[in-house]
Amino acid sequence: GIQVEQSPPDLILQEGANSTLRCNFSDSVNNLQWFHQNPWGQLINLFYIPSGTKQNGRLSATTVATERYSLLYISSSQTTDSGVYFCAVRSNFGNEKLTFGTGTRLTIIP
Amino acid sequence: NAGVTQTPKFQVLKTGQSMTLQCAQDMNHEYMSWYRQDPGMGLRLIHYSVGAGITDQGEVPNGYNVSRSTTEDFPLRLLSAAPSQTSVYFCASSYLGLAASYNEQFFGPGTRLTVL
Repeated sequence: GIQVEQSPPDLILQEGANSTLRCNFSDSVNNLQWFHQNPWGQLINLFYIPSGTKQNGRLSATTVATERYSLLYISSSQTTDSGVYFCAVRSNFGNEKLTFGTGTRLTIIP
Repeated sequence: NAGVTQTPKFQVLKTGQSMTLQCAQDMNHEYMSWYRQDPGMGLRLIHYSVGAGITDQGEVPNGYNVSRSTTEDFPLRLLSAAPSQTSVYFCASSYLGLAASYNEQFFGPGTRLTVL
């Protein structure tokens, strides 16, 4: 099945810093989503982005489907950005399921 | 819209007990699924359904049963709980179809299950 790799696995930043999280996938996809899992365990939808670029406030994402990667940018980090960020994809050749990466744990220090 | 709801939020079972985790959605989504999340890992698919009366196995289906009698509900049954089933369980739903222009998946708040 499709493989999803996220990097870096852990990231510790000062408040106000910018960061880039990467998601590589091994096959062509028709769905790619970024989630933020907050410290209470909730999965929050950030972006639905199978291709192209989207922005939502301090967050933006870019997916280059032909090169099989996606990037999540977080600018001017706040402590509330802490948590785990997951990338999940749906392969063009499978069923409807999302395959998740193992996540990037982001810690923002005041 | 309430979105995707799950009950209970927390549950403790003894080995060998059975229980049902409830999941409901009010978005008229055809596709529903159950995932489990173990510490330090991403989510893994247990079972999924593409419509009422249709279910199929994901990557970790052993020890779990599902049924889909209505579009709205997709319960997950543990027949004989084992400590290896201690996990956080998430239900998700979306519109269906490779041709769908928008099939973003939405997740419920999760059920934290401990099996002693």
